[in-house]
Amino acid sequence: EIVLTQSPATVSLSPGERATLSCRASQTVSTFLAWYQQKAGHPPRLLIYDASSRATGIPARFSGTGSGTEFTLTISSLEPEDSAIYYCQQRSMWPSTFGQGTKLEIK
Amino acid sequence: EVQLVESGGGFVLPGESLRLACVASGFSFTSYSMSWVRQAPGKGLEWVSTTRVNNIDKYYADSVKGRFTISRDNSKNTLYLQMNSLRAEDTAVYYCAKDGRAGACDSWGQGTLVTVSS
Repeated sequence: EIVLTQSPATVSLSPGERATLSCRASQTVSTFLAWYQQKAGHPPRLLIYDASSRATGIPARFSGTGSGTEFTLTISSLEPEDSAIYYCQQRSMWPSTFGQGTKLEIK
Repeated sequence: EVQLVESGGGFVLPGESLRLACVASGFSFTSYSMSWVRQAPGKGLEWVSTTRVNNIDKYYADSVKGRFTISRDNSKNTLYLQMNSLRAEDTAVYYCAKDGRAGACDSWGQGTLVTVSS
C-alpha cells in the first residue's frame, strides 16, 4: 500500500499570504495525485487532479506541482474562505490511499 | 448538474449488515467509474472501494475486503455498497463519489452516516 504523508499537520497564515502544502508518497505515483479541500460539515471538493490540473470552477490561486513522490499544493494569496482541511489522494495503484490531511487556518 | 444522493445509513449492532445506495443524476452514469469513501467521526478520509463501468473490475481497501461488496445497476443509475459483518471501526460517514480524470473523485454526495455500536 502506498502511504501518503502530508506536512505540515497544521498551518496558520494571514489573508494574502502564500500557503505551501506538501504530500510525499512512499513510492512513485507518477502524476496520479489529486488534492481536495474539505470544510467542516461538508463533503470534500476536488481542487487538483493529475498533480497539476485545476478542476472545474477552482480559482487560479490554487495550483499543484510535482510528480513521482513529491507533490505540492500552493495557494498563492489566501482568502478567509480557504480555511479548511486539505487532503491528497493517489490513484496510481490499488488500494487508493489518502494522506492524513493538513489543516489550514486563516488568522 | 451532477447530483449524488446517498441513503441507507443507520444504527446497527456489531456483526449486522447494511446496504447503502447512491442515486446519480446529471451525467452519463454508464461512462464513469464510481467510488465509496468514508470518514470516521473527527478523522480523515479513507477510500473504501471503486467499481468500473463494467461492474466486474472492483477494488477494495484491505480493511473491508471480504466484508463489503460494491455494485452498480446501470439501468437505475445507482451505486450500492453491501456491508456485512460490521464492526465498530466501520462507523463513519460514507460518501459516494464519481470518478473523473486521472481517477480523481470530481463529484461527491452529501454522505450517509453509519453507526455500529452495541
